[in-house]
Amino acid sequence: GQQLNQSPQSMFIQEGEDVSMNCTSSSIFNTWLWYKQDPGEGPVLLIALYKAGELTSNGRLTAQFGTTRKDSFLNISASIPSDVGIYFCAGQWNQGAQKLVFGQGTRLTINP
Amino acid sequence: DAGVIQSPRHEVTEMGQEVTLRCKPISGHDYLFWYRQTMMRGLELLIYFNNNVPIDDSGMPEDRFSAKMPNASFSTLKIQPSEPRDSAVYFCASRTTGAWGEQYFGPGTRLTVT
Repeated sequence: GQQLNQSPQSMFIQEGEDVSMNCTSSSIFNTWLWYKQDPGEGPVLLIALYKAGELTSNGRLTAQFGTTRKDSFLNISASIPSDVGIYFCAGQWNQGAQKLVFGQGTRLTINP
Repeated sequence: DAGVIQSPRHEVTEMGQEVTLRCKPISGHDYLFWYRQTMMRGLELLIYFNNNVPIDDSGMPEDRFSAKMPNASFSTLKIQPSEPRDSAVYFCASRTTGAWGEQYFGPGTRLTVT
């Protein structure tokens, strides 16, 4: 079945540093999404990408839909303490599929 | 606007007991999804509904699990009888037809079966 490999699994950075994480798939996806999950809460949608090559920003967050449609990237610039959490990528095969396939998550820890 | 609402937020029960988890989707959303999250398996889709009709329940682990959606604003996930391995966080999510993939999650119900 379809699987997403998300890396790195965890990151330990200093406040103010930039962060990069990525997600790769063995299959083509037509939609990529990035979620953030805080402890004790549900995942919150950060960015949705619909077109190969698309680059979308949401504040300090920037995500890209890879040109091969098999990968996606999320960058966070100038990290702050509230960026701590688990970031998940998710892909949708096509509009009719409805289901999302989730990556394993990247746990971000920020040292003050 | 209110987001997805789930209740209870925490549930502790003994093995063999019946557990019912509840979800109210975002008003106007016609898709509803139930997920389970564990450390070992991550986020797993259990079942999803479209316009109150179950479309795909292939992720439901076994017959002990059942889900209903009697109307557009309410869904339940029931486990009967519960087992310790059912301990997990259960999420409900909803989306609207026009939004490709954009599912909005509730805060989850943390279930502990002892």
